[in-house]
Amino acid sequence: NAGVMQNPRHLVRRRGQEARLRCSPVKGHSHVYWYRQLPEEGLKFMVYLQKENIIDESGMPKERFSAEFPKEGPSILRIQQVVRGDSAAYFCASSLSSRASDGYTFGSGTRLTVV
Amino acid sequence: QQQVKQSPQSLIVQKGGISIINCAYENTAFDYFPWYQQFPGKGPALLIAIRPDVSEKKEGRFTISFNKSAKQFSLHIMDSQPGDSATYFCAATGGTSYGKLTFGQGTILTVHP
Repeated sequence: NAGVMQNPRHLVRRRGQEARLRCSPVKGHSHVYWYRQLPEEGLKFMVYLQKENIIDESGMPKERFSAEFPKEGPSILRIQQVVRGDSAAYFCASSLSSRASDGYTFGSGTRLTVV
Repeated sequence: QQQVKQSPQSLIVQKGGISIINCAYENTAFDYFPWYQQFPGKGPALLIAIRPDVSEKKEGRFTISFNKSAKQFSLHIMDSQPGDSATYFCAATGGTSYGKLTFGQGTILTVHP
């Protein structure tokens, strides 16, 4: 039973390019959360999605960032026109329900470096 | 009101010693308090969690102590081992936060052999 799969593990982008981060949840999980971790800091919530719906995007920057979780396929976090400040580790978590106590599992993350 | 403050930032302990990490929260709607362990290059992994209806929870060498009135909780690692060397995060959620976790800043634990 595979856990949360994130790819790519490492991503290098030049300033101004687009970054696409993918997250495949645990089989049977329909709730996905994205977090960002800056060096030597805790994880910061970005967005919570259920299949085809954005439930809470209160942690997402207003511009350049978007997320989706289509009916089929992985959840995608998209960053347009990346800047150096976007360099961070991005983690996805999935759960069985909207409760953090319900099988909440993190992936190994995507480390984005903007050069 | 959504903050969770964690201390210390780093901790060095000798093998066999007790590691203690503390967290404080502000939001009284929080009702679930997990601790995560993270190794370099990996995602956070759930270690142990507690709800405010109990004051202590123990799983093996790991114990959470919870003080609801002070809005504080702590992780105790007994008989610390070099393999416990990792970054530890406390977190909290509850109320209308759904599964949105609010994390502390993290504690880098080093256990010397």
